[in-house]
Amino acid sequence: DQQVKQNSPSLSVQEGRISILNCDYTNSMFDYFLWYKKYPAEGPTFLISISSIKDKNEDGRFTVFLNKSAKHLSLHIVPSQPGDSAVYFCAASYNNNDMRFGAGTRLTVKP
Amino acid sequence: SQTIHQWPATLVQPVGSPLSLECTVEGTSNPNLYWYRQAAGRGLQLLFYSVGIGQISSEVPQNLSASRPQDRQFILSSKKLLLSDSGFYLCAWSTGTGNTIYFGEGSWLTVV
Repeated sequence: DQQVKQNSPSLSVQEGRISILNCDYTNSMFDYFLWYKKYPAEGPTFLISISSIKDKNEDGRFTVFLNKSAKHLSLHIVPSQPGDSAVYFCAASYNNNDMRFGAGTRLTVKP
Repeated sequence: SQTIHQWPATLVQPVGSPLSLECTVEGTSNPNLYWYRQAAGRGLQLLFYSVGIGQISSEVPQNLSASRPQDRQFILSSKKLLLSDSGFYLCAWSTGTGNTIYFGEGSWLTVV
């Protein structure tokens, strides 16, 4: 049961441009959403999060947008840098014991 | 500050052999602990989680098991590995009240 979906397995962006990573979810009980970044052969690292009471959270070059009615969230990276190239996982939870992850989107930022 | 460490980092095991991956967390008490697996080309799948010593919840039926013998120690085991057990295994922790999960470095398991 894929409750969190990242429909784009890969995304390629030019350095300096905006990267937009998308995520959809099906469970309306989810109230906390996160993005993780993962380099090959390493554990994912927490990037940014948003609770369901907000629709936007910004941290430097990273902004997460939440559209609850559409059950959709997105991660914007502006400006994109080559070091941002990684796999990005979207995650959602409705209690501390049950976090679901999407399949990931591989972002490639070309110099 | 809190740290999480898991080992071994890489493991090549024959089919039918046992498995033991260990994970420890430092700098926090009574964490929630998790084992995830990332199979090739797939997302992160929750295998087990634990809210306390001796308390294990399994998400997916399989030939793997988990144990929590101490507050900050989480062990993933198998008595007989299958080829399909190959993957990247991640231990993770969170606080009892927070929602962010923090991951270890991961362990590559190849079953041959």
